[in-house]
Amino acid sequence: EVELVESGGGLVQPGGSLRLSCAASGFTFSSYTMNWVRQAPGKGLEWVSYISTSSSTIYYADSVKGRFTISRDNAKNSLYLQMNSLRAEDTAVYYCARDQGYGYQAYAFDIWGQGTMVTVSS
Amino acid sequence: QSALTQPASVSGSPGQSITISCTGTSSDVGYYNLVSWYQQHPGKAPKLMISEGSKRPSGVSNRFSGSKSGNTASLTISGLQSEDEADYYCCSYAGSSTFVFGTGTKVTVL
Repeated sequence: EVELVESGGGLVQPGGSLRLSCAASGFTFSSYTMNWVRQAPGKGLEWVSYISTSSSTIYYADSVKGRFTISRDNAKNSLYLQMNSLRAEDTAVYYCARDQGYGYQAYAFDIWGQGTMVTVSS
Repeated sequence: QSALTQPASVSGSPGQSITISCTGTSSDVGYYNLVSWYQQHPGKAPKLMISEGSKRPSGVSNRFSGSKSGNTASLTISGLQSEDEADYYCCSYAGSSTFVFGTGTKVTVL
């Protein structure tokens, strides 16, 4: 079964750090580009970051640029999001999402994890 | 990047057709034919319903269809069913592997 499972969420104080993980299974992880998408409580979806298959190309939303770092370990079938200098407005459910294209970018997210909640509060 | 504009809510009776609009700019929706649509039930992860403006992934009902005109993309749900009641989000490629989502639309089946 094709699956993405996020972990690492929790309560953190403003200015703190957190590292999210996303474990992939059931497909050739190294052949798909990956993304992080977040959703604040009661709000809409917001794209956060993109990483290519080889990690050679990485992009971030302006709202997290300079504070978040996306990475992947194809040997471990895992995607990561290192979040530093966290703010209250970063409070959200964070989803990892697979791009639909096998070996290319299809610009649509066909597999999503169940999400992990990050709460930034003192 | 500003969020794409969607109506906050759309409603219809069972069996009817409804259309959700998604308005962007000439830098995203209008420039790329790469709009995707997602369905999200409460407490669940989003589900891909339409990719590349009008392509349905395997397993998605043919009651869902997508189109685009200028800077506005649309999702039409025909033969509305109770299980279609959910939030719907459009998403457009915005260049340099970045994406912008819509504000979201709550679909209510009367």
